[in-house]
Amino acid sequence: GQNIDQPTEMTATEGAIVQINCTYQTSGFNGLFWYQQHAGEAPTFLSYNVLDGLEEKGRFSSFLSRSKGYSYLLLKELQMKDSASYLCAPRFLYSGNTPLVFGKGTRLSVIA
Amino acid sequence: DSGVTQTPKHLITATGQRVTLRCSPRSGDLSVYWYQQSLDQGLQFLIQYYNGEERAKGNILERFSAQQFPDLHSELNLSSLELGDSALYFCASSVDSGESSYEQYFGPGTRLTVT
Repeated sequence: GQNIDQPTEMTATEGAIVQINCTYQTSGFNGLFWYQQHAGEAPTFLSYNVLDGLEEKGRFSSFLSRSKGYSYLLLKELQMKDSASYLCAPRFLYSGNTPLVFGKGTRLSVIA
Repeated sequence: DSGVTQTPKHLITATGQRVTLRCSPRSGDLSVYWYQQSLDQGLQFLIQYYNGEERAKGNILERFSAQQFPDLHSELNLSSLELGDSALYFCASSVDSGESSYEQYFGPGTRLTVT
């Protein structure tokens, strides 16, 4: 398997910064997506990284280290509406395998 | 609104029955993906179609099958249903075959309850 590992739950305070880590096996790796999913709703796209480094998009940033098999999602100026699950989804390109593999997600609770 | 539509929104049926879930991708998208999401599981990839042809297969049970029609809509057929098949079933679409940076857009899901 691809051994995608991310924390199950995190709690952070409104206005703070939180970092959600994701590790995965590097074999066959070719890009990583982050999705946000509110309870009972569809996942929505947040970011995509394929090269090493940080991609910034408003309050959200995503970082990738290909050699370490590591990514994180950084959420700044947390708002209550950011309470959701955050899904790490690396892509592995080798024959017969799935185009995207989703981690079990990190459930983030933002508290006042 | 992602532009991906799924019907029905909710489905309640009995064990042993057969159901069909329907998905219409975003206009212009050629790929359709099906996922299953149970309470304790993450999104489990089932199957992908690209322009009418099966492209990739995940952990899809033999009791499940799918197809993509010439108008690019897709159907997921679930047969001999078991209690453990109760889950949210998502359809997603993307413009490409899944090997580039284009993201997948998810539909609202069909919540299947097997009693």
